[in-house]
Amino acid sequence: GAVVSQHPSWVICKSGTSVKIECRSLDFQATTMFWYRQFPKQSLMLMATSNEGSKATYEQGVEKDKFLINHASLTLSTLTVTSAHPEDSSFYICSAMADSNQPQHFGDGTRLSIL
Amino acid sequence: SQQGEEDPQALSIQEGENATMNCSYKTSINNLQWYRQNSGRGLVHLILIRSNEREKHSGRLRVTLDTSKKSSSLLITASRAADTASYFCATEDYGQNFVFGPGTRLSVLP
Repeated sequence: GAVVSQHPSWVICKSGTSVKIECRSLDFQATTMFWYRQFPKQSLMLMATSNEGSKATYEQGVEKDKFLINHASLTLSTLTVTSAHPEDSSFYICSAMADSNQPQHFGDGTRLSIL
Repeated sequence: SQQGEEDPQALSIQEGENATMNCSYKTSINNLQWYRQNSGRGLVHLILIRSNEREKHSGRLRVTLDTSKKSSSLLITASRAADTASYFCATEDYGQNFVFGPGTRLSVLP
């Protein structure tokens, strides 16, 4: 089956640090990748949609300069949380989709803890 | 209210019983998908049902879609303790916009 690898799985760092999260589709080409944020016992909140080779589309209220997304290839997208602060602590999940009308395949998520 | 709402929010059943979760949405959709999430993990895709389909099966899972009522249901038959997880429905519209519901937390007691 389709496999998506997300790395790292857990990050603990000081306030002000920038953190990069990678999302890779291992056995398929992903035309679209999604980045979500999830708070405890809540649903996923879409942050941005990214298509290979083009700029990401951010959801309303998500700061582009704060959450930098790069989708350089059909198998890799990165999310960089710049100058992270405690309020950025959350569970971040990526997903990849080969084509429209196909399921999203999710990574295992990254738990980000900012001290 | 939000597209892709689910009920119940939480469901607790005994092993061997069936579990039914419902999802309602408001706009036209291309497809509806059900996912499972174990605590602290990513989501696992279960079933995708297209707007022109009415029912799909996968093992112990049965999904129905009623586009006239804008609703879907996920039935897990003969539940097991390992089915304990959160279950989310998600709708995709024709513009590739996805919306996830708030989820149903299922607890299957041994």
